[in-house]
Amino acid sequence: AQTVTQSQPEMSVQEAETVTLSCTYDTSESDYYLFWYKQPPSRQMILVIRQEAYKQQNATENRFSVNFQKAAKSFSLKISDSQLGDAAMYFCAYGGTSYGKLTFGQGTILTVHP
Amino acid sequence: EAGVVQSPRYKIIEKKQPVAFWCNPISGHNTLYWYRQNLGQGPELLIRYENEEAVDDSQLPKDRFSAERLKGVDSTLKIQPAELGDSAVYLCASSPGGRVTEAFFGQGTRLTVV
Repeated sequence: AQTVTQSQPEMSVQEAETVTLSCTYDTSESDYYLFWYKQPPSRQMILVIRQEAYKQQNATENRFSVNFQKAAKSFSLKISDSQLGDAAMYFCAYGGTSYGKLTFGQGTILTVHP
Repeated sequence: EAGVVQSPRYKIIEKKQPVAFWCNPISGHNTLYWYRQNLGQGPELLIRYENEEAVDDSQLPKDRFSAERLKGVDSTLKIQPAELGDSAVYLCASSPGGRVTEAFFGQGTRLTVV
């Protein structure tokens, strides 16, 4: 079974600074997707960024980028130029090809200080 | 395009009472998920539908939980009778089908059992 681990229950960052959230996963599959979702207090899960395992190039979406290390099974999220609106719970998730579901980590609460 | 719609957003019930949640997925999405999210944790899959067929319900407590997806569109999740430990956020999500390239979430229903 796939597992996703987020070892940082909480992180904080100053506005305009950079922060990195960590995620590791375990799988025996070779083809899969990895995701970072943001969940603000409104509870709406919002997709931040997605990485396809067979692509070596790290995904980037504006201020958000990932460091995908397939051999190490590591998938970190870097937020540059942090904004107050980035404050939320962030979840790392795994989507495999054998199992048509998303498996989530425990989440990291991100606080952004003005 | 409308996103995933869930209702109600909040529900407070007494233990042993029944409760039902409703979900309308994004039009054309064959895969529908029900997740349960306990406070401060990541979502956990309860059941996954491919069209009208429940293809993964291994984590659904079948003694008290039931779900249906008539005609492969809307879905209802029911709990009868509710227990105190069922207090959580219930999230519905949908995806186009097949492998999980992306899942779109509703705003969830926060259930409080007193």
